[in-house]
Amino acid sequence: SAVISQKPSRDICQRGTSLTIQCQVDSQVTMMFWYRQQPGQSLTLIATANQGSEATYESGFVIDKFPISRPNLTFSTLTVSNMSPEDSSIYLCSAGRDRGTEAFFGQGTRLTVV
Amino acid sequence: AQTVTQSQPEMSVQEAETVTLSCTYDTSESNYYLFWYKQPPSRQMILVIRQEAYKQQNATENRFSVNFQKAAKSFSLKISDSQLGDTAMYFCAFVDSGYALNFGKGTSLLVTP
Repeated sequence: SAVISQKPSRDICQRGTSLTIQCQVDSQVTMMFWYRQQPGQSLTLIATANQGSEATYESGFVIDKFPISRPNLTFSTLTVSNMSPEDSSIYLCSAGRDRGTEAFFGQGTRLTVV
Repeated sequence: AQTVTQSQPEMSVQEAETVTLSCTYDTSESNYYLFWYKQPPSRQMILVIRQEAYKQQNATENRFSVNFQKAAKSFSLKISDSQLGDTAMYFCAFVDSGYALNFGKGTSLLVTP
């Protein structure tokens, strides 16, 4: 298994500012992902964080708004840039070792933009 | 586009009873993986059970079992002897040609005393 530490657990931010969320895995993983979850809703994939290269973004998500870094096999960051109230959501980090195996999740970051 | 459909937004069951959560999916791949994840109020996503599509035998994990009907693209979760701690949001998900999970909208399960 793997344990994922995600920071911060929650934050309240002013519109127009940026927030960087950190995700640390306690062991090496192959894949890391970032999801967004509106309260009471499903998880939507934002992007796949690729080590040493640009992240792969899903339709509707762009690098300028959600820049992602993954400098090594156990760490990734997601930045939510130029925030608006519509960005208020829960952001979750996930990691896995092989396709089709168990995916591990952080406890999420609850972001409120005011 | 690959989709996962959970047709029951909310369900309720009494403690010690059995409940079945439904899930259907759509994929053109022949090799894929199916999952049920549980998300309690703590927000922590927890794997409940996993099924490999090429295995005909239904997966079981203690009180949790699945009914996997590949031809019908159906993957339901049965929870036996329901416990108060089973109260959570349950997400059906699958992985086919990619690596990331595709999630359904979830079923909110409430277990009552």
